[in-house]
Amino acid sequence: NAGVTQTPKFQVLKTGQSMTLQCAQDMNHNSMYWYRQDPGMGLRLIYYSASEGTTDKGEVPNGYNVSRLNKREFSLRLESAAPSQTSVYFCASSEGGRRNEKLFFGSGTQLSVL
Amino acid sequence: AQSVAQPEDQVNVAEGNPLTVKCTYSVSGNPYLFWYVQYPNRGLQFLLKYITGDNLVKGSYGFEAEFNKSQTSFHLKKPSALVSDSALYFCAVRDIGVDKGFQKLVFGTGTRLLVSP
Repeated sequence: NAGVTQTPKFQVLKTGQSMTLQCAQDMNHNSMYWYRQDPGMGLRLIYYSASEGTTDKGEVPNGYNVSRLNKREFSLRLESAAPSQTSVYFCASSEGGRRNEKLFFGSGTQLSVL
Repeated sequence: AQSVAQPEDQVNVAEGNPLTVKCTYSVSGNPYLFWYVQYPNRGLQFLLKYITGDNLVKGSYGFEAEFNKSQTSFHLKKPSALVSDSALYFCAVRDIGVDKGFQKLVFGTGTRLLVSP
C-alpha cells in the first residue's frame, strides 16, 4: 500500500524561483490537504480540496496555489519562493464526509529557500 | 474558532514508567478530539479519537486518552513507556468550516516525547 506519495522529498530553491510539489493518493479518498510544519507552530493548513473539482484556502494560503488535477492528485505550487516558505510540507488525504477526521499523511517535502 | 493547546514542548520519561502528554481544548459545541504521532522523517499517523461516549479512549500502540469536560482537557497516556514511543505527538480538534460544513482538523504545536532506556 503506497498510501500518500509526495515528491520531491527534498528541494532547495533560490528566492524568486518557482516549483510544484506533487501529491498522489491511492486510497480513493475524496478530500486532500496541504499542510506546512514549522518549529513551535505545529501544522498549519495551506489549502484543501473537499472533493474533486473544488479547492479552498486554509489558514496560511498566501504565496501558494493548488490544483486538484483529478481525484488522486493534488499539487501545491510556489510561484515566487520566499525564505519564509522554508518549511516541511505535508500532503494528506481523507475519505471525506463523516470520515474526515482520520487523515493519512505523506512523508513530507523538506523545502529550503535561500 | 476551535483550538487546542499543548503546554509542554518536550516530555521526558524513563522506559517502563507511565507517560502523560497534555492537551487542552477550546471549542464551541461538542468537541471532536484527536491524537496523532509523528516518527522521525515520517508523516503524521492517527492514534485515537474522541467523539462521544466513554471518557477513556483506547488507541493504537497501547495509548489511551482521557477526556475531561470540566477541565477541557484531552491528555494522552500510556501505562508503561517504551523507547520506541519517542516521537512528536500532536493533539487536534475538528473545525467545521464555512464550506458547506466541511470538517477540517486544527492541530496543536506538538509535544516531543523522549523515552530514555
